[in-house]
Amino acid sequence: ETGVTQSPTHLIKTRGQQVTLRCSSQSGHNTVSWYQQALGQGPQFIFQYYREEENGRGNFPPRFSGLQFPNYSSELNVNALELDDSALYLCASSLPGLADDTQYFGPGTRLTVL
Amino acid sequence: QKEVEQDPGPLSVPEGAIVSLNCTYSNSAFQYFMWYRQYSRKGPELLMYTYSSGNKEDGRFTAQVDKSSKYISLFIRDSQPSDSATYLCAMSGSSNTGKLIFGQGTTLQVKP
Repeated sequence: ETGVTQSPTHLIKTRGQQVTLRCSSQSGHNTVSWYQQALGQGPQFIFQYYREEENGRGNFPPRFSGLQFPNYSSELNVNALELDDSALYLCASSLPGLADDTQYFGPGTRLTVL
Repeated sequence: QKEVEQDPGPLSVPEGAIVSLNCTYSNSAFQYFMWYRQYSRKGPELLMYTYSSGNKEDGRFTAQVDKSSKYISLFIRDSQPSDSATYLCAMSGSSNTGKLIFGQGTTLQVKP
């Protein structure tokens, strides 16, 4: 059973650019959540996808968007990057309804916006 | 006021000490309470999960939830240098797989 994987590991972009981050969920998990973790802070919920539909969104502007694919992998897209978007982006997968229905996190993608 | 407050530390203890980590929260709708451990440059790893009030023990770790006081704790007994990490409390109202609200994280260093 493979865990949650994310790519790329690190990314450097400039203000105004667009970025796509990728996440492969743990085998069998149909729900993916994305979080933003600024340096020295706890993760903040961006949104969640369940069976390819957005299933809840945190307090993030529309330039943060996402997709989930039939194999339950997911993408996070951020347009018009701002300096404050520099953070560790985490995805977490889960399978609601299981006895062990917790969220398992990937290692994250560290995004630096210059 | 943040929904979840956690003392960021840093906290430094000698090996073998008992460590107490705490979070307070304001939203009485929270029912699912978790503790995650995060090593430097890694994703959070689930340590303990508790539903509603009560205690839960797993090896050297004990999680306590007091919903009447809106206060949760994680105790680490016989702390080891390998326990050095950032500890994050997290909570959810709807389910364990829904939106998690995290504390700021407490950085713990266990010195040999």
